[in-house]
Amino acid sequence: DAGITQSPRYKITETGRQVTLMCHQTWSHSYMFWYRQDLGHGLRLIYYSAAADITDKGEVPDGYVVSRSKTENFPLTLESATRSQTSVYFCADSLAGPSDTQYFGPGTRLTVL
Amino acid sequence: EDQVTQSPEALRLQEGESSSLNCSYTVSGLRGLFWYRQDPGKGPEFLFTLYSAGEEKEKERLKATLTKKESFLHITAPKPEDSATYLCAVQLIQGAQKLVFGQGTRLTINP
Repeated sequence: DAGITQSPRYKITETGRQVTLMCHQTWSHSYMFWYRQDLGHGLRLIYYSAAADITDKGEVPDGYVVSRSKTENFPLTLESATRSQTSVYFCADSLAGPSDTQYFGPGTRLTVL
Repeated sequence: EDQVTQSPEALRLQEGESSSLNCSYTVSGLRGLFWYRQDPGKGPEFLFTLYSAGEEKEKERLKATLTKKESFLHITAPKPEDSATYLCAVQLIQGAQKLVFGQGTRLTINP
C-alpha cells in the first residue's frame, strides 16, 4: 500500500530555472492538493484538483502551474523559480474533498539559490 | 481575516505529565476543525476531525475538544513517542476547498 509519494525528496535549483515536483497516489482519490510549509506561515494551499482535468487556485498560486491529466498524478511546476519559493512542498489527497481526511505525502524540500 | 492561532509554540513535558495544546480561531464560519501530527521530515498525519461545539474525540492518550472559539488537544500521561509538532486546521464554510492551518505546537516529551 504505497499511498501517496512525492519526488524528488530534495531539490536544489537556481533562480530562473523551471522545476517540476511530482506527486503520485495509488488510491484513486478524487481530490489532490499542493501545500507549501514555511516557518512563520504554517501550511498554505497552492493549488487543488477535484478530479482529472479540474484544477483551481488556492491561497498562494502565483508562480506555480499544475496539471492533472490522470487521476493519480498531480505535478506542480515552478516555471521560473525564485528564492522566495524555497520551501517544503507537500502533496495531499482525499477521497471526497477538504472535509474528508487528507493524506499527506512525505514532502519535497526545494532550495532555490 | 480568517485566522488560526496555536499556543504554546513549543512545550516540553516530562513523561507522564499531562497537558493541553490550544487552537483558537477567528473565522467567518466553521465547517470543521482538524488536528494533525507531524514528525520531523515527514508529512502531517491525520488525528481528528471535529464539527460542532461540545464534540470530543479520543485516540489513545489524546483527546480533542471543540468550543465555538477554540479547540484543545489534551494529552494524558504522554510518552516520548508522542513528541511531534501538532497542527490544527479549520475548514471554512465559505471557500470550503481549503484548510487554514495554524503554525503548530512543537511538543517534546522527556523520558
